[in-house]
Amino acid sequence: DGGITQSPKYLFRKEGQNVTLSCEQNLNHDAMYWYRQDPGQGLRLIYYSQIVNDFQKGDIAEGYSVSREKKESFPLTVTSAQKNPTAFYLCASSFITGTPTGELFFGEGSRLTVL
Amino acid sequence: AQKVTQAQTEISVVEKEDVTLDCVYETRDTTYYLFWYKQPPSGELVFLIRRNSFDEQNEISGRYSWNFQKSTSSFNFTITASQVVDSAVYFCALSEGGGGNKLTFGTGTQLKVEL
Repeated sequence: DGGITQSPKYLFRKEGQNVTLSCEQNLNHDAMYWYRQDPGQGLRLIYYSQIVNDFQKGDIAEGYSVSREKKESFPLTVTSAQKNPTAFYLCASSFITGTPTGELFFGEGSRLTVL
Repeated sequence: AQKVTQAQTEISVVEKEDVTLDCVYETRDTTYYLFWYKQPPSGELVFLIRRNSFDEQNEISGRYSWNFQKSTSSFNFTITASQVVDSAVYFCALSEGGGGNKLTFGTGTQLKVEL
C-alpha cells in the first residue's frame, strides 16, 4: 500500500543522547516535512524539503537536523541541543504544484519521551 | 505573520447532535489557502478540505459543511448528525500564496461524540 511510514512509533531516550526518527514514503512525492505536536500547541514545522539534497528550516529548527539523500526518505535527528524534545513527531509529504494544494499526507507519528 | 486560532479546546456532544468547530485566521496576504484536517486516535492527520481566498462559496460534503467568511476571517466547520466515529482532533490550517505547502496550524479542537 502507498503511504508514509514512520518508525519507531514509541521511543525513549536519556538526556544528552541524539536520536533519529525515520520517515519513508512511497507516494513519489517531491516534498517532505517534519512537524512537532505538543498538547495545546497544535503542529509546528521543524524542517521541510522540496527536493533531494536540499532542505529548509521551519519555525522551530533549533536542536534538530535532517537529511534528504533519497526522494523517499527524510530522517529527523533530535540532538542533545534540543531543550525539550519530549513530543509527538509527525512526518508528511506532498506533491509540489504551481499553487499550494495543501494536501499533505501524514504518517502515524513517533512519540519521543526523554527520561 | 499568519496565525490560526481555534478557541474551542474541547467539545462534547451526544450522537446525532450538530456541532460547529470555529476557526479564525490572520494573514496579510490577499491570496491564501485554508484547510481542515482530522486527527483520529491513530495519530495521522487526514486532509478534509481546502479553500482558496477567492472562493467564498460554502461547501457541503455529506454530513460535513464549511462556511468561509472573509469579512470575519473565519472558516468554520459543521458536522451534522454527529457520530461516534467523528471523535477526533480537528485542525484548521492556513497557507499563504507564496508559501508552498507550508501550513500554519491552529491548536486543534478535540471533539468527543458520545452515545
